[in-house]
Amino acid sequence: AQSVTQLGSHVSVSEGALVLLRCNYSSSVPPYLFWYVQYPNQGLQLLLKYTSAATLVKGINGFEAEFKKSETSFHLTKPSAHMSDAAEYFCARSNTGKLIFGQGTTLQVKP
Amino acid sequence: GAVVSQHPSRVICKSGTSVKIECRSLDFQATTMFWYRQFPKQSLMLMATSNEGSKATYEQGVEKDKFLINHASLTLSTLTVTSAHPEDSSFYICSAPGPTDTQYFGPGTRLTVL
Repeated sequence: AQSVTQLGSHVSVSEGALVLLRCNYSSSVPPYLFWYVQYPNQGLQLLLKYTSAATLVKGINGFEAEFKKSETSFHLTKPSAHMSDAAEYFCARSNTGKLIFGQGTTLQVKP
Repeated sequence: GAVVSQHPSRVICKSGTSVKIECRSLDFQATTMFWYRQFPKQSLMLMATSNEGSKATYEQGVEKDKFLINHASLTLSTLTVTSAHPEDSSFYICSAPGPTDTQYFGPGTRLTVL
């Protein structure tokens, strides 16, 4: 089955350090890919999306992700973590309108 | 940007009662909406696709008679949890495809069944 896998359920970084959240997809055809962020008891906010226009996608809040077909990956990065980045992050795929989510990664930012 | 609202944001009910959750697209029309549930510390699981003017499409393992979905208009979908039990306690989130093929999510509804 086509799926999305997020490596690492919990990532901890220091404030100012690089953020790297990993996401791999399985598909014979490159899907649309998304990164969402969720703060406690809230819905999801779109960070960025890949729709085959460009492999390096820039999103909000300084986040970006690079689509690598050879590695079937779509990792999320941010050069310098901020305390407000602490949240749950979800990678998701879509190819028929429905979103299939990865397991989620909790990002902890230490002062 | 496109906004999706949900009501109520939080509901507590007794076991055996039914609860209705509304999902509205405020500034765009949506012929399709999606319903997800999320257990604590877990990911979102798609429950069903709500279709305006036709029956909802349920994912495998989701009970149609338990989770009733009605897409009443191009801006409103409702999810009714019938005869709720404690195991139905969860965070329910809806989404709707908006401009630029992006899914817009509601803020979620926390259901607690006593």
